[in-house]
Amino acid sequence: DAGVTQSPTHLIKTRGQQVTLRCSPKSGHDTVSWYQQALGQGPQFIFQYYEEEERQRGNFPDRFSGHQFPNYSSELNVNALLLGDSALYLCASTRLAGPRYNEQFFGPGTRLTVL
Amino acid sequence: AQTVTQSQPEMSVQEAETVTLSCTYDTSESDYYLFWYKQPPSRQMILVIRQEAYKQQNATENRFSVNFQKAAKSFSLKISDSQLGDAAMYFCASGGTSYGKLTFGQGTILTVHP
Repeated sequence: DAGVTQSPTHLIKTRGQQVTLRCSPKSGHDTVSWYQQALGQGPQFIFQYYEEEERQRGNFPDRFSGHQFPNYSSELNVNALLLGDSALYLCASTRLAGPRYNEQFFGPGTRLTVL
Repeated sequence: AQTVTQSQPEMSVQEAETVTLSCTYDTSESDYYLFWYKQPPSRQMILVIRQEAYKQQNATENRFSVNFQKAAKSFSLKISDSQLGDAAMYFCASGGTSYGKLTFGQGTILTVHP
């Protein structure tokens, strides 16, 4: 049973550029959440997607956008990159029905470095 | 709004001994869940234990157990018989029942000495 996968593992961009990160949820999961984790900090919630719609959003600017596809996979897009966007980006999946319905499983993350 | 506070930036324990990590939280949700996640240097966030707020019984998972004090909004993690593989950053997190959003604390780095 494949867990949550993310690509790429590492990414280096320059200020002003745009980046797309990808996530495939755990088998059987229908909901994907994205988190930003700065070095030495706890993850911060960016947004959550369910049924291809953004259900909830954290305190992040509109430069951060996302998408969910019919197969439940998801993308996180960040435009006009700033140095402060350098972080580990974590994807988490869950199933919004059934037992343990909000137990989130995390992927290994994408390390984004903005120069 | 939800907030989670971990007041111990670092903790250490001898192998085979017991250690307790502290966490306090605040939430406006009437029903919620609490979690402890472990993040080793490999970065993969792993769920350690989960507690439903409506349950009075403290959750246990093998060597891991929690002390859930709802009135005090406290949720500590006890690791018994500590092993070298337990060394990691530990995060306390809270989540509501309507959405899957998790609010994390700042983390506690646990070092296990042989």
